[in-house]
Amino acid sequence: DAGVTQSPTHLIKTRGQHVTLRCSPISGHKSVSWYQQVLGQGPQFIFQYYEKEERGRGNFPDRFSARQFPNYSSELNVNALLLGDSALYLCASSLGRGRGAFFGQGTRLTVV
Amino acid sequence: AQSVTQPDIHITVSEGASLELRCNYSYGATPYLFWYVQSPGQGLQLLLKYFSGDTLVQGIKGFEAEFKRSQSSFNLRKPSVHWSDAAEYFCAVGRSISNFGNEKLTFGTGTRLTIIP
Repeated sequence: DAGVTQSPTHLIKTRGQHVTLRCSPISGHKSVSWYQQVLGQGPQFIFQYYEKEERGRGNFPDRFSARQFPNYSSELNVNALLLGDSALYLCASSLGRGRGAFFGQGTRLTVV
Repeated sequence: AQSVTQPDIHITVSEGASLELRCNYSYGATPYLFWYVQSPGQGLQLLLKYFSGDTLVQGIKGFEAEFKRSQSSFNLRKPSVHWSDAAEYFCAVGRSISNFGNEKLTFGTGTRLTIIP
């Protein structure tokens, strides 16, 4: 079975631009979460979606938004990119509470 | 608010030696606890998890962890490390944020493990 897949794997953007990152969860998983991992740190929670509705949001500005589609795939959007948005963006899917989260390989975003 | 402390930024052990990575958490209720491993440039792989019950948890790749409520700790152990275990290890505490979906994870800053021949 395929794991969590994310696209693209790498991305370079210029300050002020917009970016869309994509995630396909493990088949049957309805919960998708997004995390940001800055170099040298642990991942930080951005969003969680379950059954296409936002269920949780971390301490990130409104420039960050996300959505989940009927097939449970998800997009993370970041507007007005800043240099500080450079990071590895991780998507995780889960069957639900108490089942653990399974992460994709991430999208490495570099803002120049 | 929950938090996780991994006191050791970097640990070096010889191949075949035993390993213990420390993790302390702060959380008001019974925590959900996790250990993940990350190879360079890769995502996170779940090694093991604790939700309730037996405080000694077995995971993949020969790892185990012990939950000690009195010490607020969830240390990861392996009796004999292999060169392929070299990676970054993250401890995380999970908190339910709704009646749906999975837990919100709060991660420590990680411990980088180096294996010497």
